[in-house]
Amino acid sequence: QVQLVQSGAEVKKPGASVKVSCKASGYTFTSYGISWVRQAPGQGLEWMGWISAYNGNTNYAQKLQGRVTMTTDTSTSTAYMELRSLRSDDTAVYYCARASSFSPGGSGFDYWGQGTLVTVSS
Amino acid sequence: QSVLTQPPSASGTPGQRVTISCSGSSSNIGSNTVNWYQQLPGTAPKLLIYSNNQRPSGVPDRFSGSKSGTSASLAISGLQSEDEADYYCAAWDDSLNGHWVFGGGTKLTVL
Repeated sequence: QVQLVQSGAEVKKPGASVKVSCKASGYTFTSYGISWVRQAPGQGLEWMGWISAYNGNTNYAQKLQGRVTMTTDTSTSTAYMELRSLRSDDTAVYYCARASSFSPGGSGFDYWGQGTLVTVSS
Repeated sequence: QSVLTQPPSASGTPGQRVTISCSGSSSNIGSNTVNWYQQLPGTAPKLLIYSNNQRPSGVPDRFSGSKSGTSASLAISGLQSEDEADYYCAAWDDSLNGHWVFGGGTKLTVL
């Protein structure tokens, strides 16, 4: 069965960086992409960006351009999301979700990771 | 402020039919398909409806979606207590090099 298993909770200070992993299993990793979505406490969903596991193409949300980098390791079927220059308003649960391989748009995110809480606090 | 507009709350009694609306614009719903997600308390979102009205395997046919112009709606018939959750609409937006946009979410309460 398809599973996306994310790394554990993180606590970071303002200005630091965080790297969240998302290990996929149960499907051919390079046949899909991964989108990252975050949810601040008590708030709605915010799309952060997408990476194709097929060719490494990326598309980032404009507000995060320059602070976020998404990568994949096809040898371990793992996707990574790194967010730099953390601020208090980056405190959120970060989700990875399976997406289309060929474009960031498509028919939606059919499998989700369990979420990783990132807390930014001094 | 979310790009897609949903009512913050909705409610119904068991067995009733409820609908949740989602309003967008020509750059998102008006030119792309709509997906709906269900988020039970403390869990990750789950894909409920994709491509406006398609149900993934395992989603009961009590859930249905529709789209007209720049608006979409989710209907839940035969409401059950386990349907109490937050519901989000989403669509690809062609502006700003393209990006996904979500509604602010609708909290459904089963009375």
